[in-house]
Amino acid sequence: LAKTTQPISMDSYEGQEVNITCSHNNIATNDYITWYQQFPSQGPRFIIQGYKTKVTNEVASLFIPADRKSSTLSLPRVSLSDTAVYYCLVGDFGGSQGNLIFGKGTKLSVKP
Amino acid sequence: DTGVSQDPRHKITKRGQNVTFRCDPISEHNRLYWYRQTLGQGPEFLTYFQNEAQLEKSRLLSDRFSAERPKGSFSTLEIQRTEQGDSAMYLCASSLASGAGNYGYTFGSGTRLTVV
Repeated sequence: LAKTTQPISMDSYEGQEVNITCSHNNIATNDYITWYQQFPSQGPRFIIQGYKTKVTNEVASLFIPADRKSSTLSLPRVSLSDTAVYYCLVGDFGGSQGNLIFGKGTKLSVKP
Repeated sequence: DTGVSQDPRHKITKRGQNVTFRCDPISEHNRLYWYRQTLGQGPEFLTYFQNEAQLEKSRLLSDRFSAERPKGSFSTLEIQRTEQGDSAMYLCASSLASGAGNYGYTFGSGTRLTVV
């Protein structure tokens, strides 16, 4: 069961790059790292997923060091609409779903 | 496909009443999940189905909660004899379990339950 630790909150300004780090010291071999974004009164939205090294898509990058004990979600040039809670989810989607624990997430506040 | 749909969006009920929520997943997804989320917390896993089979239930899921997915398409979550502690957002998600690597969930917008 990979327990994750994220900062409770972060502040940023429009146009800045934001990096949110998640610690997962007991990550297992079959575990993937997935990040979700959630706005108030909506369900979480998938952002990015990775296993090792770096993954990039149109909205974010995910950096995973060789030991995989942490990961960093990078949001380039944030805007006010990026204000949300971000969750790091670590686990094997092919295994027990109850072992995929969302935690409390990181509340990102983007200011003008 | 418009994504995962949940109905109703909001439900207010009196303590002791039964409530039922519906989830329509993305049509090609074979897995369907139910989560519960309270204010300030992340979603908590309740149960999931692969096709029509309920494969896993959380210890959080008391015997007052029951979920079905009769034809492997939509699902219902029923809460009997509601309690104030059941007040939460109930989220449904779906995914495609292909057996080839990992995959993420697509969540619906949730049903907000308030028990008064």
